[in-house]
Amino acid sequence: RKEVEQDPGPFNVPEGATVAFNCTYSNSASQSFFWYRQDCRKEPKLLMSVYSSGNEDGRFTAQLNRASQYISLLIRDSKLSDSATYLCVVESGTALIFGKGTTLSVSS
Amino acid sequence: DTEVTQTPKHLVMGMTNKKSLKCEQHMGHRAMYWYKQKAKKPPELMFVYSYEKLSINESVPSRFSPECPNSSLLNLHLHALQPEDSALYLCASSQVGPDGYTFGSGTRLTVV
Repeated sequence: RKEVEQDPGPFNVPEGATVAFNCTYSNSASQSFFWYRQDCRKEPKLLMSVYSSGNEDGRFTAQLNRASQYISLLIRDSKLSDSATYLCVVESGTALIFGKGTTLSVSS
Repeated sequence: DTEVTQTPKHLVMGMTNKKSLKCEQHMGHRAMYWYKQKAKKPPELMFVYSYEKLSINESVPSRFSPECPNSSLLNLHLHALQPEDSALYLCASSQVGPDGYTFGSGTRLTVV
């Protein structure tokens, strides 16, 4: 099973900042890509799927570059409630393979 | 019902105990998964069941024994665990593919 690699973090930013996370994956056969969010001692929850055309959901924008096998997540106007671990996730067959995660801490 | 329910939420067991973790979903999903997550680490895939048959075993030690009695239930039987097996055990289900993946809230296991 191939790896998913992410920025090590942690990212400590003030409220209102823009922050970007990056991720690379090694399995070129993967077809589906996601960003999950995990709060402390909770289960991972889907933040958004990632498409080649790029997709946006409010303050969150995800991009996929298949040629470079690179995925990104941009968070604009960071809120205190955005503090969490963000997991880059890549499909491998029927299962999801998780990156190590990047911790974001937003402070006032 | 769009949930995956895991029981118990917390479990403390001795190294000689036998216990089981349970997972249930009623979304009609035909794939179910067990993941293990240690502190400050990502979830790691343990087992995949597809149409009630074990399709992936990620070289998990035999002290972990999965069981899928029917399409809605997934169990993980535990026997002779070690303290290093203490972790959050997450169950997930999906429609045999990555979309619609839904995680349960997990069982936090402590082996003493």
